[in-house]
Amino acid sequence: EPEVTQTPSHQVTQMGQEVILRCVPISNHLYFYWYRQILGQKVEFLVSFYNNEISEKSEIFDDQFSVERPDGSNFTLKIRSTKLEDSAMYFCASRDGLAGVGELFFGEGSRLTVL
Amino acid sequence: AQSVAQPEDQVNVAEGNPLTVKCTYSVSGNPYLFWYVQYPNRGLQFLLKYITGDNLVKGSYGFEAEFNKSQTSFHLKKPSALVSDSALYFCAVRDASGSARQLTFGSGTQLTVLP
Repeated sequence: EPEVTQTPSHQVTQMGQEVILRCVPISNHLYFYWYRQILGQKVEFLVSFYNNEISEKSEIFDDQFSVERPDGSNFTLKIRSTKLEDSAMYFCASRDGLAGVGELFFGEGSRLTVL
Repeated sequence: AQSVAQPEDQVNVAEGNPLTVKCTYSVSGNPYLFWYVQYPNRGLQFLLKYITGDNLVKGSYGFEAEFNKSQTSFHLKKPSALVSDSALYFCAVRDASGSARQLTFGSGTQLTVLP
């Protein structure tokens, strides 16, 4: 069964460092997302990406964050200068293009710890 | 704006008993509704969705959910709970008539099935 894969599974970084989280969405999917979850609590939307551009972003997704689909398969989230409060589990998700009715398929997540 | 409320942080039920996890939603148009389950240190797994049609939808692992438009609810149910159903459950919504392409998640309900 096709799945969304994410790397790394866990990253520890110092405050102020740049972090790149990588995702390989399901191959025929058209919409890509990043969500985050702090301490196993609420799942918060960060950004959605379609047709090689950001289609929506939340207030959390400020200038420190960026996304890219560099090669047609990977989908990356970059945090330019990490803060302590960026510590969270980051989930990538993708879905097909069926007029908004398709469910999101999530990866297993990348746990980011900022020290 | 779209939103979801899960009024119970924790639900405990004895194995073999029926379970209900509650969800109410708010959208300006028609809702697309989803349930996801999260096991410890794992990603979110899709359980079921309501798009249109029959108000009772059936999903994975014997779960079902009933869409109630007048009460704006989409409660998750299972006739006979298993210990292995213990997990964190998330309800999510997307406004079918809105421009938003992202899912908005509730705060999650921790289900514990006691042997």
